[in-house]
Amino acid sequence: DAGVTQSPTHLIKTRGQQVTLRCSPISGHKSVSWYQQVLGQGPQFIFQYYEKEERGRGNFPDRFSARQFPNYSSELNVNALLLGDSALYLCASSYQTGQGVAGANVLTFGAGSRLTVL
Amino acid sequence: AQKVTQAQTEISVVEKEDVTLDCVYETRDTTYYLFWYKQPPSGELVFLIRRNSFDEQNEISGRYSWNFQKSTSSFNFTITASQVVDSAVYFCALSEARGTSYGKLTFGQGTILTVHP
Repeated sequence: DAGVTQSPTHLIKTRGQQVTLRCSPISGHKSVSWYQQVLGQGPQFIFQYYEKEERGRGNFPDRFSARQFPNYSSELNVNALLLGDSALYLCASSYQTGQGVAGANVLTFGAGSRLTVL
Repeated sequence: AQKVTQAQTEISVVEKEDVTLDCVYETRDTTYYLFWYKQPPSGELVFLIRRNSFDEQNEISGRYSWNFQKSTSSFNFTITASQVVDSAVYFCALSEARGTSYGKLTFGQGTILTVHP
């Protein structure tokens, strides 16, 4: 089975532009989470989506938005790019529903989209 | 608020040495989950282990072992007889055990492990 796939793998943008990153979860996984990893730091949680609904949001400005489609794939959009948005953007998918405490979901991560803002 | 601290920024060892990666966490939750992930140069985070806060039993998987001590809020990771292929960045992470929070992991800063031949 294919793992979590992300596109594009690398991209370069200039300040003020907008970017859309895409993620396809593992087949059967209904939840997608997005993380930002700045060089030399641990990943920071941005969003979690389950069944097309936002289930969690990290401490990121409104320039960051996301959505999940009926096939459970997801897009992360960042508007008005800043130099500080340069990072590796990781998508992760998981199987369980998120309802109740029934087990912590094990997130399976993709290889990421590396965004450079000039 | 949750917090994970990995005090060791970089560790360098020679092949076959044992190495322990430290992880200390903070949370107000009584139920939570702890994780270790490995990030090789390719960038993809690879899941290593998940531990439930109820279960303080140590775990061994091949050359890997984990020591969970709730009393000291630590979840340390030991690699026995390290190999060059173990070279990577290792992250400790914490998640709440609530239905709406399971997809949110709080990561530490990571420890860069370099194993020299």
